Amino acid sequence: DAGVIQSPRHEVTEMGQEVTLRCKPISGHDYLFWYRQTMMRGLELLIYFNNNVPIDDSGMPEDRFSAKMPNASFSTLKIQPSEPRDSAVYFCASLTSGGEETQYFGPGTRLLVL
Amino acid sequence: AQSVTQLDSQVPVFEEAPVELRCNYSSSVSVYLFWYVQYPNQGLQLLLKYLSGSTLVKGINGFEAEFNKSQTSFHLRKPSVHISDTAEYFCAVSPSGYALNFGKGTSLLVTP
Repeated sequence: DAGVIQSPRHEVTEMGQEVTLRCKPISGHDYLFWYRQTMMRGLELLIYFNNNVPIDDSGMPEDRFSAKMPNASFSTLKIQPSEPRDSAVYFCASLTSGGEETQYFGPGTRLLVL
Repeated sequence: AQSVTQLDSQVPVFEEAPVELRCNYSSSVSVYLFWYVQYPNQGLQLLLKYLSGSTLVKGINGFEAEFNKSQTSFHLRKPSVHISDTAEYFCAVSPSGYALNFGKGTSLLVTP
C-alpha cells in the first residue's frame, strides 16, 4: 500500500489567499484525521471523520478553516482567507476500526503564509 | 478530558547508552496510550501502544514502555541507543483510540 498521501508537500502563499490541502487515506481505512503541528502548540487534532462523516471538529481554530470528505478516498482541508499564524505542518492520518487503533500518518504539508 | 505531559523537552545521550523518555498523563477514564516517533521532515510513525493486558509493551526498533496506572505514567525505554534513534518522540493518550492528545514531544539526540 502507498500509505497516506498528502499534497502538496510544500505550499507558500500570501496572506488572504485560499489554501487547499489534500489527503488520500489508506484504502479500506474508515477514519481520517487532520492534525496541525507548530512549535508553539505542538500537535493538535483539528477534525476527524468516520465513514466520511465529521465526528469531532472542536479543534478547528476558527471559521476560516473547513474540511470535507466527499468520498472514502479523498479529503480536503481549506483555509480561507489564510493568515501568517496558519503557518504550520498539517498532517493527515487514517485508521481502520476493529481493534488495531493505529493511526497511519502522511508525510505532511508544510504551509508558509507570508 | 485527557492530557499528556512529557517531562523532558530534550534528552542528549551517547550512543549505546540506555535511555528513558518520560510521559505522564491525566484522565478520569481508562485510556489507550501510544508512543510515536518523528524523523526530520517526516510524518509520525507508531513505536508502540498500550490498549490492555500486559503493562510492559514492546515496540519496534528495540523500544519498550511500561504502563503504570498508579503513577499515571507510560515511560519509553531502550537499553542501547543508536545514532539512527535521533528523532522527536511523542507520547499520546486517547479514551477511544481515535482522537489522540499528544504531548509536546521529546527531542532525543544521540551522539557518538
